[in-house]
Amino acid sequence: QKEVEQNSGPLSVPEGAIASLNCTYSDRGSQSFFWYRQYSGKSPELIMFIYSNGDKEDGRFTAQLNKASQYVSLLIRDSQPSDSATYLCAVRRGGSYIPTFGRGTSLIVHP
Amino acid sequence: EAGVAQSPRYKIIEKRQSVAFWCNPISGHATLYWYQQILGQGPKLLIQFQNNGVVDDSQLPKDRFSAERLKGVDSTLKIQPAKLEDSAVYLCASSNQYAGDLHNEQFFGPGTRLTVL
Repeated sequence: QKEVEQNSGPLSVPEGAIASLNCTYSDRGSQSFFWYRQYSGKSPELIMFIYSNGDKEDGRFTAQLNKASQYVSLLIRDSQPSDSATYLCAVRRGGSYIPTFGRGTSLIVHP
Repeated sequence: EAGVAQSPRYKIIEKRQSVAFWCNPISGHATLYWYQQILGQGPKLLIQFQNNGVVDDSQLPKDRFSAERLKGVDSTLKIQPAKLEDSAVYLCASSNQYAGDLHNEQFFGPGTRLTVL
């Protein structure tokens, strides 16, 4: 049973559009939620983290969390070709040190 | 601020051989992680150190994998003997927050790409 599910994609959007990336998780005890960006051949880098239900905005990025539906998403506004990468969702349950990563969603932003 | 350093960047070995990877975390970071990332999958945590002590190694295949962080700074991860399914990128990450902190931002190194033939 996969604990963190992501559609592998690729998700293709035109430049300037909103990209919506989704992640579902199975552990109701999860408390910390992270989005990482990973360019091809590179290591992951943290974009956003969220703990509370609702939205959290940082520049062009918005993370949305709905614990009742066990769902976390990442919106990228005004998508740029430089946003083309794999986006990894990571979840950590309360009291645990171990983050569980999804397989990632490949995003392609075409000019 | 220098990032997480790893070496080698690439390694090709035959099955049943042994291999070792080295990681130097960001200066002052007490927490160090080793991840395995198989192509097309997300990173999987193998072991986590807090200073020179092991916090969690429940997902480390201990029959063939070992890791140490003797002086609480550098760390090595060893595989002996290697199997074909060990082909992956091995990522080292570090954090300056206590492992149990709610927000625990990890900084990843460039990784070591291992190919087992």
